[in-house]
Amino acid sequence: NAGVTQTPKFRILKIGQSMTLQCTQDMNHNYMYWYRQDPGMGLKLIYYSVGAGITDKGEVPNGYNVSRSTTEDFPLRLELAAPSQTSVYFCASSYGRVMSTGELFFGEGSRLTVL
Amino acid sequence: TQLLEQSPQFLSIQEGENLTVYCNSSSVFSSLQWYRQEPGEGPVLLVTVVTGGEVKKLKRLTFQFGDARKDSSLHITAAQPGDTGLYLCAGGSDYKLSFGAGTTVTVRA
Repeated sequence: NAGVTQTPKFRILKIGQSMTLQCTQDMNHNYMYWYRQDPGMGLKLIYYSVGAGITDKGEVPNGYNVSRSTTEDFPLRLELAAPSQTSVYFCASSYGRVMSTGELFFGEGSRLTVL
Repeated sequence: TQLLEQSPQFLSIQEGENLTVYCNSSSVFSSLQWYRQEPGEGPVLLVTVVTGGEVKKLKRLTFQFGDARKDSSLHITAAQPGDTGLYLCAGGSDYKLSFGAGTTVTVRA
């Protein structure tokens, strides 16, 4: 099993450009999450999904959109990129409710720079 | 959003020394998790503590959950260079897991 796979690993965007960060998992997990990690700030939840067709906002959703058309895929869309979106983005998944079933599985991260 | 505060922010010690990392909140958690993250990788779960006052041991790592379920600590005995990394505590509801800012631990050989 590959686990959680994110692409691309690195990307440089110009202000105002758009892009999609891809995330796919092969563990048949229902729950998927997008976090961003900034130095000294920990991980902040952007969006999450409890199953195909269902998404909801996390702590910092502004400037992002998500969709969940299949169990495996949970892409994150950045519209009109801004320097404040420079960060490392992590996709994660869990089998069920994370505090009940015990574990978030993370991808390796996507480092995005907006200039 | 439930706020988790970790201290210290940075810790640098010599191989063989002991260290303790703290995670505190004003909120009560049903459980807390500790993750370790190495450079260029995603966090990996170390342990989940569930019961107030619980102590869990994982080889040289000891995790404690406060009696009031508002705080937790991670103690490493005889640290090794392989323990170097960012240690994150996490807690929250079933769907929304909040993370502390982390403690960067460096163990010098």
